[in-house]
Amino acid sequence: DAGITQSPRHKVTETGTPVTLRCHQTENHRYMYWYRQDPGHGLRLIHYSYGVKDTDKGEVSDGYSVSRSKTEDFLLTLESATSSQTSVYFCAISSRGGGDEQFFGPGTRLTVL
Amino acid sequence: AQKITQTQPGMFVQEKEAVTLDCTYDTSDQSYGLFWYKQPSSGEMIFLIYQGSYDEQNATEGRYSLNFQKARKSANLVISASQLGDSAMYFCAMRGLTEIQGAQKLVFGQGTRLTINP
Repeated sequence: DAGITQSPRHKVTETGTPVTLRCHQTENHRYMYWYRQDPGHGLRLIHYSYGVKDTDKGEVSDGYSVSRSKTEDFLLTLESATSSQTSVYFCAISSRGGGDEQFFGPGTRLTVL
Repeated sequence: AQKITQTQPGMFVQEKEAVTLDCTYDTSDQSYGLFWYKQPSSGEMIFLIYQGSYDEQNATEGRYSLNFQKARKSANLVISASQLGDSAMYFCAMRGLTEIQGAQKLVFGQGTRLTINP
């Protein structure tokens, strides 16, 4: 199994509070991704990174920011959480483009009350 | 824009039967890739199989094969000799051309929940 961990695994927070989710990899892969999974939508890309300090927006980036200060860590921040951001968040990594599969972390279940 | 459509919200199959999960896609890219992932009830995402748009042969991985029909824009997953452990949610996903140094942007379908009955 690819070495990807996410923390926390579960979090309950209140509307308006800041939240940071962490993805940590031990594979030294270049690319890292954040997705959210909601019923009826499958997984949707929030942000991704193609190197240290290099990030770009995905399909559903509004309300989220990311940072990558070192290869192994990719942080997802909700500056002011809203109930619509209640979801399961997955981090994924890949070593290169093309047909290289993305390895997924175990997911973080976030509930915003 | 790329789009993946999985029209079967749920499927029920008897153990040991073969099962086909449907996936159609829409893209204007000439180069793209198609993936299938399995998500069991425990929640993790497990990679199953990949097909590139220029691959001439259908991809196979053990009991999994991908029935790729480019002209019809379909990429159905076939599971031979289904097992109880195959019960899970299955997602079809597409990778398109990316502008940013090879990063993959995957677009997922809504998924099909497969239940294998003993």
